[in-house]
Amino acid sequence: QSALTQPASVSGSPGQSITISCTGTSSDVGSYNLVSWYQQHPGKAPKLMIYEGSKRPSGVSNRFSGSKSGNTASLTISGLQAEDEADYYCCSYAGSSPVVFGGGTKLTVL
Amino acid sequence: QLQLQESGSGLVKPSQTLSLTCAVSGGSISSGGYSWSWIRQPPGKGLEWIGYIYHSGSTYYNPSLKSRVTISVDRSKNQFSLKLSSVTAADTAVYYCARGSMVQGVLDAFDIWGQGTMVTVSS
Repeated sequence: QSALTQPASVSGSPGQSITISCTGTSSDVGSYNLVSWYQQHPGKAPKLMIYEGSKRPSGVSNRFSGSKSGNTASLTISGLQAEDEADYYCCSYAGSSPVVFGGGTKLTVL
Repeated sequence: QLQLQESGSGLVKPSQTLSLTCAVSGGSISSGGYSWSWIRQPPGKGLEWIGYIYHSGSTYYNPSLKSRVTISVDRSKNQFSLKLSSVTAADTAVYYCARGSMVQGVLDAFDIWGQGTMVTVSS
């Protein structure tokens, strides 16, 4: 069970859009529409931002959106704001090894 | 509003067993459609799923930790617990409990998290 692959860091200026990729395999991301994304600020617990690939929980800004193509899922944040600066993790259902996380991406708002 | 709160020993000696409990408030741990997970995060590193227990009592563990992990539920106290045996310094981490929403019997997402508790393995 290998971790999903995310870029270590991404950055963008306020108002811009950024995309974080999450690459898995045909055993996880590619086979199930069960990718979730989490935002984690320093010293805080992760917060669910996207589930089932593209759905937003109540209360999450519509600036956050998710998508998937093949074995790669993506999180896009539009209209970047300073408070979006955080670590982001993807997660996928993976069948017999039920859960696998990505290594995390540090988002810097310039 | 359902809340989760971890508790347990913050310092464990090498080779001993780490024990943590997650108290569930504002809802029942026996509610169908949810699983109850433990997830950890070593200092400065990413998240690692440890395992979960379904409301039925069925358990699923990370294959890399399976031989050392036991997750159990105490419905009378509305809480679930983690035991990790034979710990080493590599098990030093913040440990989170989390509720998992389920869809058609498989894990969908972790929608509610506890605040986390730091566990250090050291003599």
